[in-house]
Parts: sequence; structure tokens; C-alpha cells
Amino acid sequence: GAVVSQHPSWVICKSGTSVKIECRSLDFQATTMFWYRQFPKQSLMLMATSNEGSKATYEQGVEKDKFLINHASLTLSTLTVTSAHPEDSSFYICSARDQDTDGYTFGSGTRLTVV
Amino acid sequence: GQNIDQPTEMTATEGAIVQINCTYQTSGFNGLFWYQQHAGEAPTFLSYNVLDGLEEKGRFSSFLSRSKGYSYLLLKELQMKDSASYLCAAQFVTPLVFGKGTRLSVIA
Repeated sequence: GAVVSQHPSWVICKSGTSVKIECRSLDFQATTMFWYRQFPKQSLMLMATSNEGSKATYEQGVEKDKFLINHASLTLSTLTVTSAHPEDSSFYICSARDQDTDGYTFGSGTRLTVV
Repeated sequence: GQNIDQPTEMTATEGAIVQINCTYQTSGFNGLFWYQQHAGEAPTFLSYNVLDGLEEKGRFSSFLSRSKGYSYLLLKELQMKDSASYLCAAQFVTPLVFGKGTRLSVIA
């Protein structure tokens, strides 16, 4: 089946630094990838939709200059949390839509802790 | 935005049957997904309903009524490992809109 590889699984960084999270679709081409954030005991909140070769579409309230998304190829999308602060600590999950199956495959998630 | 409503928590006994309901706004609706999520892990796919009716897959079944904006996930012969959050997600355009999840606790 379709697999999305997400790295790193967890990361601890100092406040003010930047962190890059990668998602790769391993056996299918993902023209569209979605980035979600999930706080403890809460649901997944869509942050942005990224389309290969074009600018990402951000949800209301999500700072595009803080959460930089790059989708330069059909198999790779990256989310960079710039100048991270403790309130950015969360579980970040990517999801790719497989156009052949119309299914959504999730990455394994990245737990970010900013200290 | 679209509102997806599901109960926050449910408790059921091992071996029993539990039904988790989900309601959504029908405007622009394409299909409905159910995911299981264990703490600290990414969601895993359970079912996808586009047409009205019940779809059975082993111990899990999912039902959809498009006209009523209603779905449920039915879990039979509950096992302790079924303790998890169950997320209802509706597809309107492309991205999924998730409900807040139902935390199911299976007790002996």
C-alpha cells in the first residue's frame, strides 16, 4: 500500500531555532500534501495544503512566514518551523492524497518540543 | 468552517458492541473517513464511505446517510487493544476536516 515516510519522529530544539520536517511518498506521486498539527487530546487541525510546484495554501490563523512549506517534487514536502517557541510544541502530521485510490495516507508524525 | 461533531468520550466493556456517531454539514460533502489513533501515533485508516449504507469490514462497520449528514462506526467484540481515539473525517473539497475524536476506553 501507499506509504508516507515522515522524519524526524521526534525533535527537541531550543527556542528561537528552526526545525525542518520532511514527508516523502515512497511508492506513489503526491501532487497534494497536507500538514496538520495536533495538540494533546485534541483533533488534527489542518495548517496548510501544499501542491507540487506552487505556493502552499495556509488555513486562517496559520502564519505562513513562520511555517514554511516547500513541495518541490512529487514525492517530497517539507515543513520548516522558523524561530520556534514553546507554544509551537505539538505533534505535526503530514498526509498525502493518492490520486489513484482517492485515499489519504498519513506520515507517522513528528513530536516537536521547544525548550 | 465545517463542523464535525462526535462524542468526546465513551466507555464499553470487553466483548461488547459500541457505536460511535458522527454528524457533519452536508453542503459540499464528498465522503466520510474513520480513523483510529492511539496516543502519540498517527491516525490509521479504518473505512471510507461515499454511498449510503453499511459497509462491514471484520469487527468494524461504518454507516453513512448522506441526506442526514450522519455516520457511525460500529465496533463489535471489543478488545482491550481497541482502546484509542476514533476520528471522523469528512471530505468536502480536498483536505479532510476532522472531528475532535472520540476517546474509547474498553474495560474488562
